[in-house]
Amino acid sequence: KNEVEQSPQNLTAQEGEFITINCSYSVGISALHWLQQHPGGGIVSLFMLSSGKKKHGRLIATINIQEKHSSLHITASHPRDSAVYICAVSNPLNFGNEKLTFGTGTRLTIIP
Amino acid sequence: NAGVTQTPKFQVLKTGQSMTLQCAQDMNHNSMYWYRQDPGMGLRLIYYSASEGTTDKGEVPNGYNVSRLNKREFSLRLESAAPSQTSVYFCASSAGVAGANVLTFGAGSRLTVL
Repeated sequence: KNEVEQSPQNLTAQEGEFITINCSYSVGISALHWLQQHPGGGIVSLFMLSSGKKKHGRLIATINIQEKHSSLHITASHPRDSAVYICAVSNPLNFGNEKLTFGTGTRLTIIP
Repeated sequence: NAGVTQTPKFQVLKTGQSMTLQCAQDMNHNSMYWYRQDPGMGLRLIYYSASEGTTDKGEVPNGYNVSRLNKREFSLRLESAAPSQTSVYFCASSAGVAGANVLTFGAGSRLTVL
């Protein structure tokens, strides 16, 4: 079993829909990261969080430390949100160096 | 633009050839990393450097060497390329300070070993 599991692996939705991507992890962590990988391959960090909730524009990330679970939500989805979304967790023994364990990603496609 | 620059973007090698992937960041970050990304697998850490002058192995270091030339530059060398090293390679950096470790990635280098 992988230390970081994402679901779903693939998600197709209509423009405007509310999107939820889930990430579960099996180890203790110091922080959880959400990353976005564009169709062209570039990777951008969206959020780093260790508790509660963070919001940036139409994106919201939440984490429940007790349940070892995080969700990434996209409101009013748009075709430009089409990308692979990657969850990663950092080992508390290495906090400060960020040796992350990555999930395999969720491929999101938004249809106009 | 500030960020992480890695070269080359594409490279084709024959088995046994050597090459170096270059990476530079201009954000005064302490920590730098090399990852590889393969289909169906998450990013995997090859080597990292917590600070200038230090390097350490990650999850998949075999067949690779690294050099932290200075605070800005972190190179990855394949001494004798093998087809199993066909992958997309990403360099990344972070401040390396507790609580401020968001990663900034380079654009990636696609390497094919024939």
